Amino acid sequence: EPEVTQTPSHQVTQMGQEVILRCVPISNHLYFYWYRQILGQKVEFLVSFYNNEISEKSEIFDDQFSVERPDGSNFTLKIRSTKLEDSAMYFCASSGQTSGYNEQFFGPGTRLTVL
Amino acid sequence: AQKITQTQPGMFVQEKEAVTLDCTYDTSDPSYGLFWYKQPSSGEMIFLIYQGSYDQQNATEGRYSLNFQKARKSANLVISASQLGDSAMYFCAMREGRRGGSQGNLIFGKGTKLSVKP
Repeated sequence: EPEVTQTPSHQVTQMGQEVILRCVPISNHLYFYWYRQILGQKVEFLVSFYNNEISEKSEIFDDQFSVERPDGSNFTLKIRSTKLEDSAMYFCASSGQTSGYNEQFFGPGTRLTVL
Repeated sequence: AQKITQTQPGMFVQEKEAVTLDCTYDTSDPSYGLFWYKQPSSGEMIFLIYQGSYDQQNATEGRYSLNFQKARKSANLVISASQLGDSAMYFCAMREGRRGGSQGNLIFGKGTKLSVKP
């Protein structure tokens, strides 16, 4: 069964450093998302991406964040200068259908720890 | 105001019994979807069940069913015949109507931690 994959599973970084979180969505999917979950809290939407551009973003997704689909398979989230409060689990998700409901398939997550 | 409210931070259920996890939502959009996800201690998000706002019947997926009461804006998850492996966090989420090219992001509740007792 196709699945969303994410690398790395755990990333530890120093405050102020740049990090890139990588995702490989399901191959025939068209819509891509990043969510984050601070430990013990609910999952929060960051950004959605379709047709090679951002379609929606939340207030959390400020100028420190960017997303890119550098090739036909990868979808990345970059945090330019990490802060302590960026420590969280980051989930990538993808969905594929253009009509009807479309389930968002989540990856296993990358746990980001900022020291 | 909260878009998704899960009022039960924790629930206990005896193995083999049924359990209902509550979820209420708030939207003025006539077109929306409601989702339930399971998050075990390993951290991944596992899709369980979906209900569309225009669906006439309650959704069912195996041991999972969704008790959709549109007028009350509730979408409770019912797990029948609980198993030890059902112990996890359960999140209710809503996707509002599509805007432009977006499929709509999910808005999550705070979750309910379900513990199944042997």
